Amino acid sequence: AQSVAQPEDQVNVAEGNPLTVKCTYSVSGNPYLFWYVQYPNRGLQFLLKYITGDNLVKGSYGFEAEFNKSQTSFHLKKPSALVSDSALYFCAVRDGADFGNEKLTFGTGTRLTIIP
Amino acid sequence: ETGVTQTPRHLVMGMTNKKSLKCEQHLGHNAMYWYKQSAKKPLELMFVYNFKEQTENNSVPSRFSPECPNSSHLFLHLHTLQPEDSALYLCASSQSNAISYNEQFFGPGTRLTVL
Repeated sequence: AQSVAQPEDQVNVAEGNPLTVKCTYSVSGNPYLFWYVQYPNRGLQFLLKYITGDNLVKGSYGFEAEFNKSQTSFHLKKPSALVSDSALYFCAVRDGADFGNEKLTFGTGTRLTIIP
Repeated sequence: ETGVTQTPRHLVMGMTNKKSLKCEQHLGHNAMYWYKQSAKKPLELMFVYNFKEQTENNSVPSRFSPECPNSSHLFLHLHTLQPEDSALYLCASSQSNAISYNEQFFGPGTRLTVL
């Protein structure tokens, strides 16, 4: 079974400060991990993914995420927050041991608000 | 935009109505998905189609009926829905590969209200 947890429903950050949105996961094999962002009245937009390789993954809009196998975490980060980063962020996981399974499991989402 | 379109964007229907949601992807992908997004709940995967064949039905009630006539189009037929079915219905597509895993691209969604 695969699962993902986003422990914070809401994160508030001052503009210009670094931001972190937390995600932890559980899989039986190797994890395939994703971050998506959702703006109001829009679908989800892909930000970045970790499949294998470097633990630090860089993605769209200046975001990056760090894969930590020992802590089973994949936190989303950005060095300097913009007001336009305010949105709903979803972490998702697929279990790499489950070949043929197309199912992505999403977290409940974290609402990020950047305060001017 | 992501190359995945959904129509209509908004739909209000009574419990006895029959309606259909349409999704089209212009990305050449071979897999398509329906998700339900309700407030304060995780995204719920409803159906998966891979090369037009349904590969996942996540215990969805029969009042939701999917149809995938080809790898570019996906429909969700709705019949005798309940008010609790009101939600944002999202369509997604991806290039499915058993060796690696590619990200899914989402449409803007259909906001469904059942009265």
